[in-house]
Amino acid sequence: GEDVEQSLFLSVREGDSSVINCTYTDSSSTYLYWYKQEPGAGLQLLTYIFSNMDMKQDQRLTVLLNKKDKHLSLRIADTQTGDSAIYFCAENSGGYNKLIFGAGTRLAVHP
Amino acid sequence: DVKVTQSSRYLVKRTGEKVFLECVQDMDHENMFWYRQDPGLGLRLIYFSYDVKMKEKGDIPEGYSVSREKKERFSLILESASTNQTSMYLCASSLSNWQYDFGPGTRLTVT
Repeated sequence: GEDVEQSLFLSVREGDSSVINCTYTDSSSTYLYWYKQEPGAGLQLLTYIFSNMDMKQDQRLTVLLNKKDKHLSLRIADTQTGDSAIYFCAENSGGYNKLIFGAGTRLAVHP
Repeated sequence: DVKVTQSSRYLVKRTGEKVFLECVQDMDHENMFWYRQDPGLGLRLIYFSYDVKMKEKGDIPEGYSVSREKKERFSLILESASTNQTSMYLCASSLSNWQYDFGPGTRLTVT
């Protein structure tokens, strides 16, 4: 079945780049997503990438997609304390376009 | 700018009670989804619906049922609540195969 995996924790120093990695299993996924959840808040769509793209850049965010290895990454440049949150990788999967999520990576930014 | 609303932000119920979680969307979306979110497990799909009166099981349907009598409303039912159903429940809707809108979530505690 469909599966999305990501590491659970990442700690970075303020001002450094953060890279959050994700692997997925459904090669037929047409879109892959990164969501952000701050403490006590709802899910916020950060960015998404269409499966025929290799890279997407949006200000401090860079998404890289390696479709052959089914690997997705999110790079946050110049990480700030406000970037501290849980980041979820997700793929849309199946005939009904179910959204399948990873377990989430908790990003901690320290001075 | 109301899109997806959930009937309660917080709910406390007793073991064995029947619990209804309501989700309403005002965007005329075909697809609606119920997830539960638990720390370290991410969001797991419970049930989804692609049309009125149509439903499909997700990854963890045991102990839950759903109802979709009208296009805008998707209800999640816990027939006999148990403590292991204490969780955050998130509803989502989608029209296209790439854009999903999430509700704010209902934090359910079963004592």
